[in-house]
Amino acid sequence: GNSVTQMEGPVTLSEEAFLTINCTYTATGYPSLFWYVQYPGEGLQLLLKATKADDKGSNKGFEATYRKETTSFHLEKGSVQVSDSAVYFCALRGPFSGNTGKLIFGQGTTLQVKP
Amino acid sequence: NAGVTQTPKFQVLKTGQSMTLQCAQDMNHNSMYWYRQDPGMGLRLIYYSASEGTTDKGEVPNGYNVSRLNKREFSLRLESAAPSQTSVYFCASSGRGEKLFFGSGTQLSVL
Repeated sequence: GNSVTQMEGPVTLSEEAFLTINCTYTATGYPSLFWYVQYPGEGLQLLLKATKADDKGSNKGFEATYRKETTSFHLEKGSVQVSDSAVYFCALRGPFSGNTGKLIFGQGTTLQVKP
Repeated sequence: NAGVTQTPKFQVLKTGQSMTLQCAQDMNHNSMYWYRQDPGMGLRLIYYSASEGTTDKGEVPNGYNVSRLNKREFSLRLESAAPSQTSVYFCASSGRGEKLFFGSGTQLSVL
């Protein structure tokens, strides 16, 4: 079945450091891939998405590229800020789930950025 | 703009008690979802409703029931709570696109 695996956290970085959060997936066909972010005390928010191979999703300085050959969708940011401290979830929507919000989530990676 | 509103924010139950989690959205979305979030396991889909009047099971439906009362409201009921249902519950909605809009969650503890 479909699944998503993220690197374990917590990830602790200093402000302005480079961020990578690894995400790999298992899916039949061609899924859509997402990164959601959860700030403390809030619900999840869509950060970026990619719907086909080699697509690059980007938002707020974060980027992720859909790599079919390595079944990966790693999240990167060149210079993190304290305000980026949150939990990051990688997720996929299977190709047979239609245009729905039925997502398979990874376990989440906590990012803590220190000043 | 309220978005997705969940009540209550916190709840403590004893094993065997029942309760209903309420969810309402004001974005005129057709689809609504209930997810649970557990440490180390991410979010898992409990039930969803593609449109008013329809509901379907997700990945972990056992022990739960849902009601799509109207287009705005989608409630989740625990008939006989168990400690394994201790979790954070999120309601979400989506319109024509696949982007999910989440509520702020309900933290439930079952003793």
